[in-house]
Amino acid sequence: DGGITQSPKYLFRKEGQNVTLSCEQNLNHDAMYWYRQDPGQGLRLIYYSQIVNDFQKGDIAEGYSVSREKKESFPLTVTSAQKNPTAFYLCASSRGLHEQFFGPGTRLTVL
Amino acid sequence: QQPVQSPQAVILREGEDAVINCSSSKALYSVHWYRQKHGEAPVFLMILLKGGEQKGHDKISASFNEKKQQSSLYLTASQLSYSGTYFCGTVSSGSARQLTFGSGTQLTVLP
Repeated sequence: DGGITQSPKYLFRKEGQNVTLSCEQNLNHDAMYWYRQDPGQGLRLIYYSQIVNDFQKGDIAEGYSVSREKKESFPLTVTSAQKNPTAFYLCASSRGLHEQFFGPGTRLTVL
Repeated sequence: QQPVQSPQAVILREGEDAVINCSSSKALYSVHWYRQKHGEAPVFLMILLKGGEQKGHDKISASFNEKKQQSSLYLTASQLSYSGTYFCGTVSSGSARQLTFGSGTQLTVLP
């Protein structure tokens, strides 16, 4: 079955530590995205990539970094520079500007 | 800039109708509609492209007025399964072809 997987589902980290969230897709989509969602809020774009080895900052990129070395993978690193990292993180992929397919999300809690 | 959704929340009885609106201050290329259940990933409902089209999916339909930069989602004869938060996402006509989500409309359908 084609789809997007994110791991882990829940992640706990101590303040000041970097953490990497995994996102893999087997839909053969060129474009991939990372969003952050806070309780009761909409989705805010962190980074997106339209092609391998290229990515652009979204609206809230500060404190985050990404890489796109393979078409299938788009990992997100939450660095210690991110002041308030506790949130629900969603990865998505799409074929061009068509509908986005979302992964199940990773809920990150910084203690 | 984030599109504006209204209302923020609506409560219905099963079988009643609802309309959710989405408006943007920018010229739009397309509008996407998604539904998210609590704790889950958003699920794609439909996409409307520039051209003022209207789409339908079962008892859920949407319209897109590109001149007014507005879209509306229509839910008729609502079912319990329609409960969730509905997000519109807009892609502006311009170089930055990224999807920007509204803050969502929480829909609750009661028996």
